[in-house]
Amino acid sequence: QVQLQQWGAGLLKPSETLSLTCAVYGGSFSGYYWSWIRQPPGKGLEWIGEINHSGSTSYNPSLKSRVTISVDTSKNQFSLKLNSVTAADTAVYYCRVDTGLDFWGQGTLVTVSS
Amino acid sequence: DVVMTQSPLSLPVTLGQPASISCRSSQSLVYIDGNTFLNWFQQRPGQSPRRLVSLVSNRDSGVPDRFSGSGSGTNFTLKISRVEAEDVGIYYCMQGTHWPRTFGQGTKVEIK
Repeated sequence: QVQLQQWGAGLLKPSETLSLTCAVYGGSFSGYYWSWIRQPPGKGLEWIGEINHSGSTSYNPSLKSRVTISVDTSKNQFSLKLNSVTAADTAVYYCRVDTGLDFWGQGTLVTVSS
Repeated sequence: DVVMTQSPLSLPVTLGQPASISCRSSQSLVYIDGNTFLNWFQQRPGQSPRRLVSLVSNRDSGVPDRFSGSGSGTNFTLKISRVEAEDVGIYYCMQGTHWPRTFGQGTKVEIK
């Protein structure tokens, strides 16, 4: 049974870099796409991007210039970095994988405020 | 981007009664391999989303059989045959055929 556990800084100032990591327990990286999704307070879900075990990525064009998703297969972890954050990036960030079964992290609230 | 449009956005339902949510896409969701990558997610208050249905109509493991998905091309529906109290939450459709993946706005299901 796959479990995802995520962590990262919850409070950032404008222009700083958001950095989150998602650890994968009970599963391997092979054959799947691992994604990041966010949800602003009281709003809907937005797909940020995804990566596979070989490091091939796809990003939402609305964030592409600022986002990097990477994978560390030796640690069974994948990460999200979002540069130059503003208040509009305040959201709960989720990691997710679809192995045929669907698994989500617990979510991390990231607040951007001066 | 493919726009996913859900209706209604708010759905008050009486316990034990059926409920239906519509999701329409701005482009066909049929992939070149013939699969249609349309998912339905449930998000209960304060929880991470949970997938209910993939590939239009495949219920995920552990999902009660009162949930069913149907549709094709650009028109899709999630039905709850008899709403229970635990079904309260927001339901999202999401397409996985095209990049970027996109979600519907969400439909809030509440008990009358």
